[in-house]
Amino acid sequence: GQNIDQPTEMTATEGAIVQINCTYQTSGFNGLFWYQQHAGEAPTFLSYNVLDGLEEKGRFSSFLSRSKGYSYLLLKELQMKDSASYLCAPNSGNTPLVFGKGTRLSVIA
Amino acid sequence: DVKVTQSSRYLVKRTGEKVFLECVQDMDHENMFWYRQDPGLGLRLIYFSYDVKMKEKGDIPEGYSVSREKKERFSLILESASTNQTSMYLCASSPAGQSYGYTFGSGTRLTVV
Repeated sequence: GQNIDQPTEMTATEGAIVQINCTYQTSGFNGLFWYQQHAGEAPTFLSYNVLDGLEEKGRFSSFLSRSKGYSYLLLKELQMKDSASYLCAPNSGNTPLVFGKGTRLSVIA
Repeated sequence: DVKVTQSSRYLVKRTGEKVFLECVQDMDHENMFWYRQDPGLGLRLIYFSYDVKMKEKGDIPEGYSVSREKKERFSLILESASTNQTSMYLCASSPAGQSYGYTFGSGTRLTVV
């Protein structure tokens, strides 16, 4: 089975930096996905980390430590439109993705 | 632009009705999935399919069935709708192989009254 843990809610100020953590335990591991989901909409792909380290993509970066079962999503220069839920999903290999319950981020002025 | 299309955005059905939720993808993906999403519970897998006419139970298949007669279409069936099946239903697809993310449909919000 899988165990995925993310904070339920976070609040941050426009223009700031926020880090959303995800810890996981899986029986196999190929990589980890991050998805963004705005309220009432479908999840959309943000990133996929396979190797340890930080991968940067514009204002969003994602970090992975395979040995620690830990990942984080880093959002810089926060904008109001970044208010959404962020879901992490470890890819355990031969089974469908299991998603974390998501972290609801509120960006305030 | 690649797409996963769910036939209805909102549905209201009565208890005991048979309900069909349709999902079509135009990306020639092998894999298709049905999840439901509820507050506090996240996304939970109902059924999935890795090929035409193939189906596998997910974590919460009770009260549901699926059909995949064509590669591009994956239907979720509620045999006899109940109020505890009121939820957001999300269909997703992906290419074969495990390193590809899922593309989700826009979801169907089903209310059973």
